[in-house]
Amino acid sequence: DIVMTQSPLSLPVTPGEPASISCRSSQSLLHSDGHNYLDWYLQKPGQSPQVLIYLGSYRASGVPDRFSGSGAHTDFTLKISRVEAEDVGVYFCMQSLQTPLTFGQGTKVEIK
Amino acid sequence: QVQLVESGGTVVQPGTSLRLSCAASGFSFSSYAMHWVRQAPGKGLEWVALIWYDGSEEYYAESMKGRFTISRDNSKNTLYLQMNGLRADDTAIYYCARGRRAARPSELDYWGQGALVTVSS
Repeated sequence: DIVMTQSPLSLPVTPGEPASISCRSSQSLLHSDGHNYLDWYLQKPGQSPQVLIYLGSYRASGVPDRFSGSGAHTDFTLKISRVEAEDVGVYFCMQSLQTPLTFGQGTKVEIK
Repeated sequence: QVQLVESGGTVVQPGTSLRLSCAASGFSFSSYAMHWVRQAPGKGLEWVALIWYDGSEEYYAESMKGRFTISRDNSKNTLYLQMNGLRADDTAIYYCARGRRAARPSELDYWGQGALVTVSS
């Protein structure tokens, strides 16, 4: 199974400031089609998860452009250019290259 | 709009069986792969199972193989998860989620609100 490791696990943020979460996989997520099969999800308090970024860097429909994804092979980053209060919650990375799909442990983002 | 509504969550005793359902609407259900993902109380996300758009292929997390069965009825726009031999560590919220691709793993672009399954004596 592919192991996904996120850091940090807790991230206090200041509104208006940038924030960054790292995700590493135990093996390359690069598919022969040229895409990296790494997705980012946000689970807001009391809600179901929602996809933010898919295939490493593609923003999902309706996701604000302050969210961006980057990286390749085994190292990936989710960046929030300017954090807003509504961005609090737990962020998960997930590899969708192969089954079993596997998630990172989650990064809890909260306002300082 | 896309809607996924799970049902069937309840409290059951260890060793018993339970079937969850997920009613889909707002999209062409038979064109998408579907997944089950679970979340134990206060814990992270754990992928459970995947079924292709036409039901021809199923994939499971190792710990659920042989105990859980994913299935779908495209005529009823409904996804199922049959869970047998339930254990205390199966206690979780079970989410159904749509995969963006029809016949391969992909991101999960829509999620239901979840169904709580509690396994306790």
